[in-house]
Amino acid sequence: AQTVTQSQPEMSVQEAETVTLSCTYDTSESDYYLFWYKQPPSRQMILVIRQEAYKQQNATENRFSVNFQKAAKSFSLKISDSQLGDAAMYFCAYRREGGSQGNLIFGKGTKLSVKP
Amino acid sequence: KAGVTQTPRYLIKTRGQQVTLSCSPISGHRSVSWYQQTPGQGLQFLFEYFSETQRNKGNFPGRFSGRQFSNSRSEMNVSTLELGDSALYLCASSFSGTNYGYTFGSGTRLTVV
Repeated sequence: AQTVTQSQPEMSVQEAETVTLSCTYDTSESDYYLFWYKQPPSRQMILVIRQEAYKQQNATENRFSVNFQKAAKSFSLKISDSQLGDAAMYFCAYRREGGSQGNLIFGKGTKLSVKP
Repeated sequence: KAGVTQTPRYLIKTRGQQVTLSCSPISGHRSVSWYQQTPGQGLQFLFEYFSETQRNKGNFPGRFSGRQFSNSRSEMNVSTLELGDSALYLCASSFSGTNYGYTFGSGTRLTVV
């Protein structure tokens, strides 16, 4: 069974600085997708960034980028120029390839605090 | 366009009762998934519906059930509520259950007393 591990329950970053959240996963599949979701106090899970396992190039979305190491099964999220609005729970998620396998497998999350 | 709408936002029920939660996906989205979020277990997959058919199910007892209507709206039902069913229930929709990510609603906070 696939598993996702986030080893940092809490992280803190100074406003305008850079922070990296870690995520490792375990799978025997070769094709899959990885996601980072953000959950602010409003409770809604917001997609931050996604990565296809078959792509070697790391995904980037504005201030958010990932370091995807397929062999190491590592998928870290880097947030540059941190803003107060980035404070939230961040969840790493895995989904196997295949339209009928619709479920995301989530890590336990990392609570990110941003200090002004 | 409107996002994923979950109703109600909050719910308090008594042990032994049953409850129905509703989810309206984004217009055009045919896949609806449900997740349970608790502090102890984190986010766990309940089930997924696509075109009114359940096509994937998580490891939950039969007290948890769901359905999807022809307009893609989905409901989940929990019968014989237990204290441990207290959780945030999140619904997510996608166009076809593809890997472009899912759009989540804000959830229903269920408290069982």
